[in-house]
Amino acid sequence: AIQMTQSPASLSASVGDRVTITCRASQGIRNDLGWYQHKSGKAPRLLIYGATRLQDGVPSRFSGSGSGTEFTLTISSLQPEDFATYYCLQDYTYQWTFGQGTKVEIK
Amino acid sequence: EVQLVESGGGLVQPGGSLRLSCAASGFGVSTKYMNWVRQAPGKGLEWVSIIYSGGITDYADAVKGRFSISRDNSDNAVYLQMNSLRAEDTALYYCARATYGVGMDVWGQGTAVTVSS
Repeated sequence: AIQMTQSPASLSASVGDRVTITCRASQGIRNDLGWYQHKSGKAPRLLIYGATRLQDGVPSRFSGSGSGTEFTLTISSLQPEDFATYYCLQDYTYQWTFGQGTKVEIK
Repeated sequence: EVQLVESGGGLVQPGGSLRLSCAASGFGVSTKYMNWVRQAPGKGLEWVSIIYSGGITDYADAVKGRFSISRDNSDNAVYLQMNSLRAEDTALYYCARATYGVGMDVWGQGTAVTVSS
């Protein structure tokens, strides 16, 4: 199965900060990557699909970039409701795989 | 309204079986890729299984040979039959809809499975 290595595992940031999370695939996955936000007690939420496409209803401060093996999720100006855990997911081939997650905490 | 509702979770002894259900509304389960994703206590999200619109199925190595995914188009539901359960299968199990090139855009609220003696 393709391994997804996500970094950092956690970060502390303040409201208004720019935040960047990285995901690296163990082999090329074209742009078949999504980013998900997960808050405790709630269902995960799709933010970005196709590596760069913003899901309907998701604020424009979220953006995605990359293709092949290196991908990035950027939050341009962190808001209080953005404190959560973020995951990448490759859906390129058999046995879809999530990254380990990045917990974004309040500084 | 597009919605997924999971059920069937509970407490089961190691080696036991459980069948999870995911009832869909607002779309047909046969038209999408239907997934099961789990989160063990204190751990991250783990993809478990998928049934594609064409009927092909796939599983994570951790559950292959023990879990089986299926769907019933008339009930508009997806199922996860879990056999030979282990303590490490303890998790909140989510049902999620996916579309080719879009990812998992609709999720249920999850059903909890605890494997313990």
